Amino acid sequence: KAGVTQTPRYLIKTRGQQVTLSCSPISGHRSVSWYQQTPGQGLQFLFEYFSETQRNKGNFPGRFSGRQFSNSRSEMNVSTLELGDSALYLCASSLGDRDHGELFFGEGSRLTVL
Amino acid sequence: QKEVEQNSGPLSVPEGAIASLNCTYSDRVSQSFFWYRQYSGKSPELIMSIYSNGDKEDGRFTAQLNKASQYVSLLIRDSQPSDSATYLCAVNRAGGTSYGKLTFGQGTILTVHP
Repeated sequence: KAGVTQTPRYLIKTRGQQVTLSCSPISGHRSVSWYQQTPGQGLQFLFEYFSETQRNKGNFPGRFSGRQFSNSRSEMNVSTLELGDSALYLCASSLGDRDHGELFFGEGSRLTVL
Repeated sequence: QKEVEQNSGPLSVPEGAIASLNCTYSDRVSQSFFWYRQYSGKSPELIMSIYSNGDKEDGRFTAQLNKASQYVSLLIRDSQPSDSATYLCAVNRAGGTSYGKLTFGQGTILTVHP
């Protein structure tokens, strides 16, 4: 079956702009998590959505937000972009309940902020 | 102390050898443990998961868990150049109620040379 799909794969923005990233989970998975990966900080958890509700949130400023739709697709938004937001943004899906927490990642959206 | 620590690496082994990757975690209530492989420029791929003390084998991969010592390892037998990648150890604190949050180590870079 199809894996996790993220769009766009690459994007370049300038400071102060905003960006929206999209994620379609594996069919049947109801949980979508978002992670930021940078060389210095590694993989850091942003937030998780299940059944259109945010269940968990990491330690990121309010400029980072997300939502989930009734078909489990998710979007994350970053407003007022800063240079430090340049990173690989990864979406991961899971069943969301009755599982051990294993995550399956999409190919990521690589954001460059100039 | 970092929540999840891995060998700093890089680790270099000859083709056909056994590669041993180690990981320690600080939170005693952790319940699920995962190994991800990440090729350069790609997203993390789940290769092993383990939940109970002992060994779990899957092909050339063996994961070992010792909850008393808060230690998890990954052995790769008959290493191949295609195994060259960064290996990420990830820990789930609360089993099925982790709500999308895995804590990742910084990763160990493995190079298998012919």
